[in-house]
Amino acid sequence: DQQVKQNSPSLSVQEGRISILNCDYTNSMFDYFLWYKKYPAEGPTFLISISSIKDKNEDGRFTVFLNKSAKHLSLHIVPSQPGDSAVYFCAASVRNTGKLIFGQGTTLQVKP
Amino acid sequence: DVKVTQSSRYLVKRTGEKVFLECVQDMDHENMFWYRQDPGLGLRLIYFSYDVKMKEKGDIPEGYSVSREKKERFSLILESASTNQTSMYLCASSSAWTGELYGYTFGSGTRLTVV
Repeated sequence: DQQVKQNSPSLSVQEGRISILNCDYTNSMFDYFLWYKKYPAEGPTFLISISSIKDKNEDGRFTVFLNKSAKHLSLHIVPSQPGDSAVYFCAASVRNTGKLIFGQGTTLQVKP
Repeated sequence: DVKVTQSSRYLVKRTGEKVFLECVQDMDHENMFWYRQDPGLGLRLIYFSYDVKMKEKGDIPEGYSVSREKKERFSLILESASTNQTSMYLCASSSAWTGELYGYTFGSGTRLTVV
C-alpha cells in the first residue's frame, strides 16, 4: 500500500523553463512533507519542506505547494538548470514518529 | 561538515553469507534509519532506532536485523544474504526535535550485490 506516490517516473524540460514535480499521498496523519534530490552514487540530500498547516513554502528557485483537500503536493523549480538533473523524492513525515515515507522518485532531466 | 558515513560503497557477497553494513554519524542525532532503494519502488524503510539499544521494524524488516550499541553507530545485518537483497542501502540520521522540518542526513549508500 503506497502511501506516498509519484506517478511520473521521469520528466524532461528545457533549461530556463519551469519544472513541476508532483506527489500524492493518502494518509491524513502526515504532518510535514519534504523533497529530496539524489544524484547517482550519492545519498539523497534535503531540498525543502512544508508543514501540513501551510500551503506554500519558497526557497530561492524552489517552491513547494500543498493542497490538503486533494492530498497533493508539487515542487516547482524556476528557472530549471542542467545541474538540477537528478532523481527527486517526495517524502511525508508520520506525526510524532520521526519516520519518513518516501515516494518512488521522479527522474528530472534538464536539457541545455 | 556534518556527516553520515557508510563503511563500504560497493560490496559483493555470496548467497548465504552473513553481511554487516556499518553506518556512523557525527551529529549527535538521536534517530537513525536504514532504507533500501530499488528502481520503481523508491526508498523503503527496513529498521530504525530512536536511541541506543532501541530498534523498531520498518516496512520491510524480513531477512534483516540491526544493532545500535552506541549513539553514533547503527549497523544493518543480513543474517543469510539472498539474491533479492541485492540493492542500494542507505543509512540516515535525524534530530529527534527537528527531523520533520529539516529532514534526514543520508550517507552515500552501499551498493550490495549478492551472487
